Amino acid sequence: EDKVVQSPLSLVVHEGDTVTLNCSYEVTNFRSLLWYKQEKKAPTFLFMLTSSGIEKKSGRLSSILDKKELFSILNITATQTGDSAIYLCAPISNFGNEKLTFGTGTRLTIIP
Amino acid sequence: GAGVSQSPSNKVTEKGKDVELRCDPISGHTALYWYRQSLGQGLEFLIYFQGNSAPDKSGLPSDRFSAERTGGSVSTLTIQRTQQEDSAVYLCASSPYWGEQYFGPGTRLTVT
Repeated sequence: EDKVVQSPLSLVVHEGDTVTLNCSYEVTNFRSLLWYKQEKKAPTFLFMLTSSGIEKKSGRLSSILDKKELFSILNITATQTGDSAIYLCAPISNFGNEKLTFGTGTRLTIIP
Repeated sequence: GAGVSQSPSNKVTEKGKDVELRCDPISGHTALYWYRQSLGQGLEFLIYFQGNSAPDKSGLPSDRFSAERTGGSVSTLTIQRTQQEDSAVYLCASSPYWGEQYFGPGTRLTVT
């Protein structure tokens, strides 16, 4: 059975701090891993990681994948209150149906 | 361009009634997914459509749930004889073929 574990479950930091969110996974026929930010209802796409060791960056956010150790991290530097959200990771299995398996997410709260 | 749209945005129904939730994917996207998110839970996969292939229904929680996708575009998720445990946010997502999924705003279903 596919499994995704995110840690920590919840994180509260002050504005300006740097945070690292973790995602470990076990999926059959892994293809890629996606990171999403969820505020209110619908998740918004952040990154898709397919190759190991190649960092993807978007502003203050960056992410990297380790396919040998089966994990990914999402870093946010100089956090802002607008970064408060649930961050979800989801590996895609190349199993003919491209199904995502979501972790329960990390709830990040940034205190002004 | 237009994103994924869902309707209604909110639905309150009495226990035992049937409901239909609609999803309009991004034009040209061949893959369409339904998820639900119960309070405090992670995203739960329900069903996946890819082009003209038979849908992957492995996530549907019971036979009260069904979905169809007409003409490879619009999809309807139907829940028959609703129960209180069906209360959740139902999210639809579409994808060009595989990879990042673009989520709609969701339908919040409340069963009283």
